[in-house]
Amino acid sequence: QVQLQQWGAGLLKPSETLSLTCAVYGGSFSGYYWSWIRQPPGKGLEWIGEINHSGSTNYNPSLKSRVTISVDTSKNQFSLKLSSVTAADTAVYYCARGRPRGITMVRGVIDYYYYYMDVWGKGTTVTVSS
Amino acid sequence: SSELTQDPAVSVALGQTVRITCQGDSLRSYYASWYQQKPGQAPVLVIYGKNNRPSGIPDRFSGSSSGNTASLTITGAQAEDEADYYCNSRDSSGNRHVVFGGGTKLTVL
Repeated sequence: QVQLQQWGAGLLKPSETLSLTCAVYGGSFSGYYWSWIRQPPGKGLEWIGEINHSGSTNYNPSLKSRVTISVDTSKNQFSLKLSSVTAADTAVYYCARGRPRGITMVRGVIDYYYYYMDVWGKGTTVTVSS
Repeated sequence: SSELTQDPAVSVALGQTVRITCQGDSLRSYYASWYQQKPGQAPVLVIYGKNNRPSGIPDRFSGSSSGNTASLTITGAQAEDEADYYCNSRDSSGNRHVVFGGGTKLTVL
């Protein structure tokens, strides 16, 4: 049973850099997309970005200028850094495993694609306050 | 477009059937995945692909898709199904960004 364990600083001051790490236990690290998602208080889920085992990244355009996601395959860990935080970055931050894109075929032709995140960390509450 | 749109709130009487919908251009190419989130907990995957349930998800949860709209149907809603539900897919425009709907709060009456 794959588990994700995440940790990092929970209280930051404006302009500091948020830093979180997620460790993968009980399963393969390669072949998946490893994502960070956040949820501000009382609001919905926002995808921050993802990385694969080879270090290829993909970021939400709205956060791209401040986000760095990195991977340490020797430890089966991936990390998030978000620079210049403000109160608007206060949220619960989740790490999650994304599956490779699936394809459904109809009579030999691609019908649909599908993507999903099947394993999630428990979340880390990050508060930005002066 | 990379947006997924959900109704903010839906209610259902105990034991009845409810449909939660998600609209977006990416859903013409991608099946939505659906997540259930209860207060203070991480989201849990309930439906993925055409209509697949992970192990442990009751068969009263099902998914469907038509055009730019995906639906999550709960047949015989139970009190424990009261939660927020989010749809999700990748953007179909080629950038492969991941998108979430705004979420639907399901109340079981």
